[in-house]
Amino acid sequence: KAGVTQTPRYLIKTRGQQVTLSCSPISGHRSVSWYQQTPGQGLQFLFEYFSETQRNKGNFPGRFSGRQFSNSRSEMNVSTLELGDSALYLCASSLGGTSGVDEQFFGPGTRLTVL
Amino acid sequence: TQLLEQSPQFLSIQEGENLTVYCNSSSVFSSLQWYRQEPGEGPVLLVTVVTGGEVKKLKRLTFQFGDARKDSSLHITAAQPGDTGLYLCAGTGTASKLTFGTGTRLQVTL
Repeated sequence: KAGVTQTPRYLIKTRGQQVTLSCSPISGHRSVSWYQQTPGQGLQFLFEYFSETQRNKGNFPGRFSGRQFSNSRSEMNVSTLELGDSALYLCASSLGGTSGVDEQFFGPGTRLTVL
Repeated sequence: TQLLEQSPQFLSIQEGENLTVYCNSSSVFSSLQWYRQEPGEGPVLLVTVVTGGEVKKLKRLTFQFGDARKDSSLHITAAQPGDTGLYLCAGTGTASKLTFGTGTRLQVTL
């Protein structure tokens, strides 16, 4: 069973640009969550999509957005990039159940550098 | 806001030593997961604990969930260089959202 895949793995952008990251979940998983990881703040939750709808949202500005397609693949977009957006962006997929444990499995991440 | 504090933040030990990592919160979690992350990769799920007081063993790793489901510990026996990595605890709280701990960076040397 293939794991979670993320593309691209590395990305360099300049301030003010926008970027789109992609995530393909494990087959059969309907939930995709996005996280930002930085040395200073650790792993922080951005948002979760389930059946093409945003189900949960973290405390990030509106420049960070996402969407999910009917095949459960997800994209996240960051507009008007700032230096502080440099981070490892991680995507995690899960079955998406709300009763009991819903284990999340992570992709390798996209390393974004903003110059 | 639910916060998870891990201690210690950094740990450098020699092969064969034992160690314990702690994950503490003032909030109750419905379940707690432990992950290990290696440089340049995403976190890999090690274990999920659900019941207060639960103990799970995975070879040389022992995980415990506190009775009140507010804290957890990870104990590694006879550490090996392959155990090196960033260990993260993560709790499932409200709205099934995962809250990650601050992380413990472990270095095991020969």
